[in-house]
Amino acid sequence: DSGVTQTPKHLITATGQRVTLRCSPRSGDLSVYWYQQSLDQGLQFLIQYYNGEERAKGNILERFSAQQFPDLHSELNLSSLELGDSALYFCASSAGQGRNEQFFGPGTRLTVL
Amino acid sequence: KNEVEQSPQNLTAQEGEFITINCSYSVGISALHWLQQHPGGGIVSLFMLSSGKKKHGRLIATINIQEKHSSLHITASHPRDSAVYICAVRSLSGGSNYKLTFGKGTLLTVNP
Repeated sequence: DSGVTQTPKHLITATGQRVTLRCSPRSGDLSVYWYQQSLDQGLQFLIQYYNGEERAKGNILERFSAQQFPDLHSELNLSSLELGDSALYFCASSAGQGRNEQFFGPGTRLTVL
Repeated sequence: KNEVEQSPQNLTAQEGEFITINCSYSVGISALHWLQQHPGGGIVSLFMLSSGKKKHGRLIATINIQEKHSSLHITASHPRDSAVYICAVRSLSGGSNYKLTFGKGTLLTVNP
């Protein structure tokens, strides 16, 4: 158990809908990272937050947004969902701003029908 | 060409064999990670290294910064080592050194 929790575990929704994925980092970790893993693209970095502020952005679509709250949990919002958004979404956390080992959550499997 | 290339893509071994998985990258990096992903989907961080060699149990990871190459070795392999092994680099490009770029993974199957 990495200490990183993600909810929900599975999510099935329809095209055009909006969903929110939640991540709680390990106790004491200030950085949260979001990753998407799809069959065709593999693992891709989406976005990083450190202590409530956005630190780095990767291949995140404009339809996606994220935030980190004062209690350090993070949410990834996916809107106007398309079939191609079906993927595993992982959250990871680390102690520092990015130079530390990252600990991964169990992931949320999103299926868009 | 991908920034991170892994080989082989698939590897089948007999229990007890010594296994090597390779990772080559084309960008300047500040660190390299080796991750393990089991069929259930969960990802475990095995190593993070920026130089030299690290060992944890039967796993050894090495990196050669000049040659932009890393290897993950598994000694005395066991069926429970069956998983996808993913190499990821923390690049220095794009003004941010926090972004991880991933290889496509190596699927390892160890038969009893």
